[in-house]
Amino acid sequence: KAGVTQTPRYLIKTRGQQVTLSCSPISGHRSVSWYQQTPGQGLQFLFEYFSETQRNKGNFPGRFSGRQFSNSRSEMNVSTLELGDSALYLCASSTDSGTGGLGYTFGSGTRLTVV
Amino acid sequence: QKEVEQNSGPLSVPEGAIASLNCTYSDRGSQSFFWYRQYSGKSPELIMSIYSNGDKEDGRFTAQLNKASQYVSLLIRDSQPSDSATYLCAVLYNFNKFYFGSGTKLNVKP
Repeated sequence: KAGVTQTPRYLIKTRGQQVTLSCSPISGHRSVSWYQQTPGQGLQFLFEYFSETQRNKGNFPGRFSGRQFSNSRSEMNVSTLELGDSALYLCASSTDSGTGGLGYTFGSGTRLTVV
Repeated sequence: QKEVEQNSGPLSVPEGAIASLNCTYSDRGSQSFFWYRQYSGKSPELIMSIYSNGDKEDGRFTAQLNKASQYVSLLIRDSQPSDSATYLCAVLYNFNKFYFGSGTKLNVKP
């Protein structure tokens, strides 16, 4: 059974650019959540999608956006990149209609570096 | 006030000892509680879940939940160097909101 797949694994971008990250959840998982992880802030919730609808959103600026497709694959986009956006971006999928009474399975993450 | 609090550590224990990791949460309405292990440079991996008061054992791991005191703990018996990692406590609120603690770094010394 394939796990959660995130692409790309590593990314280097310049300030002001935009970036799109992709996540393919485990087959059958309809809930996809995105997190930002930094050494100082830990895991911070970005948003959750279920059946192509954003169900929950964290406290991030509007530069951070996402979407989910009919096959449950999800993308997140960050526009006008700032140095502080450098982080590990993790995607997590779950079978539950919510964010996971059974817990998440995380992808390997995308390491974004903004220079 | 953070929703989920953990001591950042590092917690150092000798090989073979019991490691005790603690987590407190602020919302009494929380339903589900999880422990994730994260090795350096890797993504978090779910190791335990607990939903009701008491203890839940899985191999060398025991999760303990006390809803009245709003704390969750993870005991690792016979700690091994391979258990050295950061352990994240996660709490589910309102069936659809997940909050993570900042994690406790565990070092198991051979």
